[in-house]
Amino acid sequence: EVQLVESGGGLVQPGRSLKLSCAASGFTFSDYNMAWVRQAPKKGLEWVATISYDGSSTYYRDSVKGRFTISRDNAKSTLYLQMDSLRSEDTATYYCASSSWGQGVMVTVSS
Amino acid sequence: DVQMTQSPSYLAASPGESVSISCKASKSINTYLAWYQEKPGKTNKLLIYSGSTLQSGTPSRFSGSGSGTDFTLTIRSLEPEDFAVYYCQQHNEYPLTFGSGTKLEIK
Repeated sequence: EVQLVESGGGLVQPGRSLKLSCAASGFTFSDYNMAWVRQAPKKGLEWVATISYDGSSTYYRDSVKGRFTISRDNAKSTLYLQMDSLRSEDTATYYCASSSWGQGVMVTVSS
Repeated sequence: DVQMTQSPSYLAASPGESVSISCKASKSINTYLAWYQEKPGKTNKLLIYSGSTLQSGTPSRFSGSGSGTDFTLTIRSLEPEDFAVYYCQQHNEYPLTFGSGTKLEIK
């Protein structure tokens, strides 16, 4: 069974950093592009970043470019999202996704 | 960015009926349109990609059609487990963008 399990969320002050992880199982992780998608409270789904299957290419939405870094460790079947210089507008549930999605992890940016 | 306009935002139907959900892109996305299902307590599920290709495990009562800017998700003979929220997403170009969702409820 395909499983994506996110971790690393929490409450963080504006300007600080947080690193999300997504542990994958049940499929050949290294064969798939992976993405982070977020959903702010009472808002729609918003794509954040994508990384190619081998990590050679990354793509970001403009509002996180230069602040967020997507990466992966195929040996560990794990996807990451390093989030720096966090802003209140980054408050959301963050989902790890390929053709399957994780349950999501909440990130709250507040003083 | 490609804007995705999904309609209706709310739809009520009875089991056994057929329904259609529309998704319009602000510019051509060829056939690169995906449909997702969201249900409480479950992870989001990819149903269809590239406009009409069923993801493995998607029941055949689901179908997708369209190209360019206009797309439709059709669910024939609704089952109780189909009542959920449905999102479209274009995967033609970055940034990937989603529709605002359609909530399908039991009448």
